[in-house]
Amino acid sequence: QVQLVQSGAEVKKPGSSVKVSCKTSGGTFSKFPISWLRQAPGQGLEWLGGIIPVFTSAIVAQKFQGRLTIAADEGTNTAYMELSALRSDDTAVYYCARGNEMGTISSFLDYWGQGTLVTVSS
Amino acid sequence: SYEVTQPLSVSVALGQTARITCGGNYIGSKSVHWYQQKPGQAPVLVIYRDNNRPSGIPERFSGSNSGNTATLTISRAQVGDEADYYCQVWDSSAWVFGGGTKLTV
Repeated sequence: QVQLVQSGAEVKKPGSSVKVSCKTSGGTFSKFPISWLRQAPGQGLEWLGGIIPVFTSAIVAQKFQGRLTIAADEGTNTAYMELSALRSDDTAVYYCARGNEMGTISSFLDYWGQGTLVTVSS
Repeated sequence: SYEVTQPLSVSVALGQTARITCGGNYIGSKSVHWYQQKPGQAPVLVIYRDNNRPSGIPERFSGSNSGNTATLTISRAQVGDEADYYCQVWDSSAWVFGGGTKLTV
């Protein structure tokens, strides 16, 4: 079965960057889209962007353009997201999730990682 | 940008039917997906493409979508259905989520 395992919790200073990884197993990695989402404490879900590993280029939500990098390594079946210029309101649980259909980021998300808590604090 | 709106909370008596709405301009022309999230857990897909249930989701969960409103219906509500529910649509090359609805049984 498909599993997405994310890297561990991070504590960062304002202005720094954080990189979160998402290792997938149990399925074909390269053609299925991986989306990144986050959830601030007590808040709803927010989509950050996504990537189809075989295509390498990512879609980043307008709000995060210039600050978010999404990448994937087909050799290790791992997707990454790196958010820079961190602020206190970036404190959230960050999730990766796999889309159901190969080749399109606009497919519903059927497998999710366990989440990674990123805390931004001075 | 496209917006979808959900009620903040819905309450339902045990064994009765809960309906959670997701409103958006001509949302009936889009595919709507629904996720259930319990405290401290990752979201779980419960309905995809308006009215389809993934394997393992009880038949009590159903969906509809028409006009400006999509609806998640939970029949014979159980205590275990208490959770936050989010609707999701794709618009202008981005995923858009509703703000979430807390279901209390």
